[in-house]
Amino acid sequence: DGGITQSPKYLFRKEGQNVTLSCEQNLNHDAMYWYRQDPGQGLRLIYYSQIVNDFQKGDIAEGYSVSREKKESFPLTVTSAQKNPTAFYLCASSMRLSPFEQYFGPGTRLTVT
Amino acid sequence: AQSVTQLDSHVSVSEGTPVLLRCNYSSSYSPSLFWYVQHPNKGLQLLLKYTSAATLVKGINGFEAEFKKSETSFHLTKPSAHMSDAAEYFCVVSLNFGNEKLTFGTGTRLTIIP
Repeated sequence: DGGITQSPKYLFRKEGQNVTLSCEQNLNHDAMYWYRQDPGQGLRLIYYSQIVNDFQKGDIAEGYSVSREKKESFPLTVTSAQKNPTAFYLCASSMRLSPFEQYFGPGTRLTVT
Repeated sequence: AQSVTQLDSHVSVSEGTPVLLRCNYSSSYSPSLFWYVQHPNKGLQLLLKYTSAATLVKGINGFEAEFKKSETSFHLTKPSAHMSDAAEYFCVVSLNFGNEKLTFGTGTRLTIIP
């Protein structure tokens, strides 16, 4: 089955620690995205990548970093510089950049205490 | 620039009655429009999309939406609600060219009353 996997589903970290969220897709899509979801705010774009070894900042990139060394993988690191990291994180991919529809993974809920 | 407004944060309907979720958009150019559904603690699933073809778009699970340029609206409807329709729904807009981003509405939570 083709799709997007995110791991882990739930993640707990202490304040001040960096944490990396995994995202893998086997859809052969060129573009991949990371979103943050907070209650009542919809989805906000953190980073996106349209090709291997290239990525661009989204609307809320501060405190986050990404890499795109392989077409199928787009990990997100939440650094200690992110002031409010507790959120639901969603990874998505699309054949190309918009307006192609995006396909979403199941999400990772990160809790930082 | 582009933006999208979902007019209701919460909608409740009885099972078997029609569903209407309202969405208005703003876009400098001809947009693509999408509706996504999200069940609790899950990712988003595409319900339907409009990309400048037919203005009435049919999606999965009996949902459909009509693009009305004069009203800048893209409302989502379903003739008869089912308990499994209870979820959060997002209206999304994108330009048709030169833009790498989708812009999401803040979501409408749909509750189905048995």
